[in-house]
Amino acid sequence: DAKTTQPPSMDCAEGRAANLPCNHSTISGNEYVYWYRQIHSQGPQYIIHGLKNNETNEMASLIITEDRKSSTLILPHATLRDTAVYYCIVRTGGTSYGKLTFGQGTILTVHP
Amino acid sequence: GAVVSQHPSRVICKSGTSVKIECRSLDFQATTMFWYRQFPKKSLMLMATSNEGSKATYEQGVEKDKFLINHASLTLSTLTVTSAHPEDSSFYICSARSTSSQEWIQYFGPGTRLLVL
Repeated sequence: DAKTTQPPSMDCAEGRAANLPCNHSTISGNEYVYWYRQIHSQGPQYIIHGLKNNETNEMASLIITEDRKSSTLILPHATLRDTAVYYCIVRTGGTSYGKLTFGQGTILTVHP
Repeated sequence: GAVVSQHPSRVICKSGTSVKIECRSLDFQATTMFWYRQFPKKSLMLMATSNEGSKATYEQGVEKDKFLINHASLTLSTLTVTSAHPEDSSFYICSARSTSSQEWIQYFGPGTRLLVL
């Protein structure tokens, strides 16, 4: 699976948009980009995923660049409860099993 | 939907004993379940992948005789830590993927914190 690079930490003011970048410059054509987050002492929570088109759901938006070498997760109106470690993961598609390999992620701190 | 539970949420045991952790998909059937381990301030490390009715596939460096995995049904997988030692103390997290979903999404349980004394 392609390796991802994320900033170790970011801050965001409550109510503002949080934009979390991820670099996956070695991604190949059949690899998906997934975002999960982990709030302290809990299991990871699925946020969103995509292949090449931008995606939006009730939690967030995922913007993938045209060359697919990077992506941005957008939390439109961050709240204090969005403080967590955010993981950007690239997973090979087209397999039955396809495991997720977690990197170090970005610690997002939302402050009042 | 897509809820995964784990039991127990935390367990303390003596060195040398065995501990079983259960992972259940509550509202979907899961052909594939995964077991992860997480040490303090570290990221999740995949231990093994289990498929219903077949033997688990272990990641390199994970002792299959120490971490026994059973995936006997489409809603239950168990991880047994045999002859536990203090270095096995960790946060164990399972995840499951729905068999019916066209989307490949892993849903994670809340984790089990194991402390071996």
